[in-house]
Amino acid sequence: ILNVEQSPQSLHVQEGDSTNFTCSFPSSNFYALHWYRWETAKSPEALFVMTLNGDEKKKGRISATLNTKEGYSYLYIKGSQPEDSATYLCALLGSARQLTFGSGTQLTVLP
Amino acid sequence: NAGVTQTPKFQVLKTGQSMTLQCAQDMNHNSMYWYRQDPGMGLRLIYYSASEGTTDKGEVPNGYNVSRLNKREFSLRLESAAPSQTSVYFCASTRGADEGQPQHFGDGTRLSIL
Repeated sequence: ILNVEQSPQSLHVQEGDSTNFTCSFPSSNFYALHWYRWETAKSPEALFVMTLNGDEKKKGRISATLNTKEGYSYLYIKGSQPEDSATYLCALLGSARQLTFGSGTQLTVLP
Repeated sequence: NAGVTQTPKFQVLKTGQSMTLQCAQDMNHNSMYWYRQDPGMGLRLIYYSASEGTTDKGEVPNGYNVSRLNKREFSLRLESAAPSQTSVYFCASTRGADEGQPQHFGDGTRLSIL
C-alpha cells in the first residue's frame, strides 16, 4: 500500500484568487499519479494522469506538476470560481496496478 | 453517454442480510474496480478485476465477494452485512490499468446497515 498525503485538508478562497495544493508521497515506486475532481453528490472525475518526472499538464484554469525525485505533485487553480468548489483527490498507481487515494483537499470558493 | 452505471443508488439492510451491488460499463473497458468511501478517508479499494475472468483483493476485501460476470459487469456481494459496512460504494472502470488511463466512476451506492 502506497502512502499518499494531501494538504491542506480543506481551504477557503475568495472568487478570483489563485490557489494550489499538494500531494506528497515518500516513494517514487509507482507507475502514474492521478488527480480527480469530486463535486458533492457526484462521482469523481479525472483531471490528469501524470507519469514522468517533470510532467506538467493543463486543462483550462487548472494545471498540475509532478516531481517524483522530491516526492510531490502540485495542483494549481488560476482565478478560482465558485464552480471550482469540490474535493480534489490525488492517487498513485502502484506495482499491483491498484490506485491508492489520498484523503483529498476540500476547496470552497467564496463568491 | 451511460458510462458506468451502478444499482441500486440507495439501500438499507439489517445486520446479517445479504445483497449484491451491480455495476455495468459500456465503454469496452478491461479493468473494473469496487471502492468504499468513508468520512475522513480516501477511497479504499475492495476488489478489482484487471480483465474479464480475473479478480483480485484490494486493501479492504474482508466481508465481500465479487464476480466479473462478463466484460461489462462487475458485481459486489455482501454475504452477511455488518454495521461496519455502512458506506458509499463506488464502481470504476478503465481501459487498462497498465496504460496510464484514468478511471471512470459510477454515481455510487449509499448503503446503510442497521
